[in-house]
Amino acid sequence: EVQLLESGGALVQPGGSLRLSCAASGFTFSSYAMSWVRQAPGKGLEWVSAISGTDGSTYYADSVKGRFTISRDNSKNTLYLQMNSLRAEDTAVYYCAKKYCSGGSCYSGVSWYFDLWGRGTLVTVSS
Amino acid sequence: DIQMTQSPSSLSASVGDRVTITCRASQSISIYLNWYQQKPGKAPKLLIYAVSRLQSGVPSRFSGSGSGTDFTLTISSLQPEDFATYYCQQTYSTPPYTFGQGTKLEIK
Repeated sequence: EVQLLESGGALVQPGGSLRLSCAASGFTFSSYAMSWVRQAPGKGLEWVSAISGTDGSTYYADSVKGRFTISRDNSKNTLYLQMNSLRAEDTAVYYCAKKYCSGGSCYSGVSWYFDLWGRGTLVTVSS
Repeated sequence: DIQMTQSPSSLSASVGDRVTITCRASQSISIYLNWYQQKPGKAPKLLIYAVSRLQSGVPSRFSGSGSGTDFTLTISSLQPEDFATYYCQQTYSTPPYTFGQGTKLEIK
């Protein structure tokens, strides 16, 4: 079955750290760029970070740059998000999402979208 | 960064109604515009990509249009399962790949 399954969410104190995992199955994980998207309680979607499938290029939203680190282990079909210096405003459900390029090949100018999402894992930052 | 603004933020409608949701980008994003549907407690689901291309399995009552900075999602005849929150997302050029703030579609 094609799926993504997040884990690692917890209650953590401000200033603390947490590592989220996203286990992928049913597709060739290494071939796809992946992202983390979060949703604060009662709020909208916020793209957090992305990592390419091949060369490991990483990208971050300004709100998490310098505090969060995205990584992947293609041998384990797993995506990670290391979150440090956590703040109350980081409280959210964190989703991992798979990037799919229209036509199946990613190149400059092609349209793309998130075609597969996990169920999410809740991170609560509170004292 | 490119900002995405949806309107309205919420909308009440009845089964069978035709509904239109608008998304405006702060700069031209060409065709790099997607629409997602999210129901409470669930992950978002892709409806439309590249402005107007319907994702496989999505009912044909959903359609998208627009170009440049102004885009619309239309549901031609609302069904009970369509009551949800809808988000646009731009995937133009480099990150961040911003979402609109969402439009909550409620039953009248």
